[in-house]
This record gives sequence, C-alpha cells and structure tokens, in this order.
Amino acid sequence: SQELEQSPQSLIVQEGKNLTINCTSSKTLYGLYWYKQKYGEGLIFLMMLQKGGEEKSHEKITAKLDEKKQQSSLHITASQPSHAGIYLCGEKAAGNKLTFGGGTRVLVKP
Amino acid sequence: DSGVTQTPKHLITATGQRVTLRCSPRSGDLSVYWYQQSLDQGLQFLIQYYNGEERAKGNILERFSAQQFPDLHSELNLSSLELGDSALYFCASSDGTSGGASETQYFGPGTRLLVL
Repeated sequence: SQELEQSPQSLIVQEGKNLTINCTSSKTLYGLYWYKQKYGEGLIFLMMLQKGGEEKSHEKITAKLDEKKQQSSLHITASQPSHAGIYLCGEKAAGNKLTFGGGTRVLVKP
Repeated sequence: DSGVTQTPKHLITATGQRVTLRCSPRSGDLSVYWYQQSLDQGLQFLIQYYNGEERAKGNILERFSAQQFPDLHSELNLSSLELGDSALYFCASSDGTSGGASETQYFGPGTRLLVL
C-alpha cells in the first residue's frame, strides 16, 4: 500500500502570514482529500482533488494537485487563529477506505 | 456539524473489559467506516460496512468486531481490552452510491477510549 508523506510535521506561523502544507505520494493519487482536525475532535472535510492540475479554494484555503497527481499542497492565506489544528491529507484506496498521512500540526500565533 | 453522531464521547474502562461504541451515519448514507487514531499509529482504517454488509477490512484486531444494523447505525465492539487500545475511534459515513475516488467521507466527533 502506498504511503502519504506530509510536510512539515508541525508549523508555527504568525497571524496574518501565509502557510503551505505538502502531501506527497510515491504513486499516482486517484482521489486526494484534505481534512482539518481540531485537537482531540473530529475531522472536518475541506476539499477533494481528483484531476491533475486541479485547484480548489474555499475562503482562505487553496488546495492543488500537481499534473502528475503525486503531490498536493494546501495553502492558507493570511492565517487566523481559527486555522489552528491538524491538517490531514488522505488518499482513497481500494474498497473506499482512506489512507492518511501523518498530519501537520498548525499553530497560529496572535 | 457533519451529521454523523457517535456515543459515548468519552469512555474509561479497565484492561480485559469489553465496550461498545455506537455510530449513527448522516441521513441517507449507506456506508459506515470505522477508524482508530492513536499517537503512534496515526489515523488507521479499521472496517467498512455498506447497507448492513461488511465491505472492506483494514487493520482491525480479532478482538474487535463491528456490525451495521437495518436502520444503518453501526456498533464497534472492542473486547479483552489492552492498554494499547486507548485511542480516538472515529466513525465516518458516505452515501455509498457513487463509489470510487470521488465519494466523500464525513467524520463523526469520535469516541475517546482510555483503558486503565
């Protein structure tokens, strides 16, 4: 089974600054999901990318999938304290299960 | 709010005991998934049910079992509990009709299990 590598593992950013999280696979991604988890709580669905070169935005969060469909990035513009949490990328594998990366912990300093 | 509910929110029990975690999927969703999140293993898929039948199995221990009932709610049974079973257990649901990579899973708030 392929693994998803997320980088960085953790990130501290000043409020108002931008940040980027990367998710890399050794194989082609057929469905890449981004979720956000507040500490100790459930996962909130952010976006799903499927096509090479696809880009989606919601409020200040933009996710992209590269043309080769092996890397995705999540970019947050002008970060706010509400953006703090753990960001997880997940790939849809056989049987519809999701395989997740290790997560990126984001802390936004006011 | 994802529409997926899980009970209880917290559970504290002792080694060797058995517990049942309950999940109600979003209205209309036929598929239910169970995941375990621990510090050392991250978020791992356990098992999937679709309309009452087991559809896929992941890293689920033999001491664990699940089922999905006719009303589509699901239960995850954990028995002979060990300290290492302490984790967050999530349920997710999807409509199960489109299939493939585009079907989004919506997660519940989780049940935090602590085995002492």
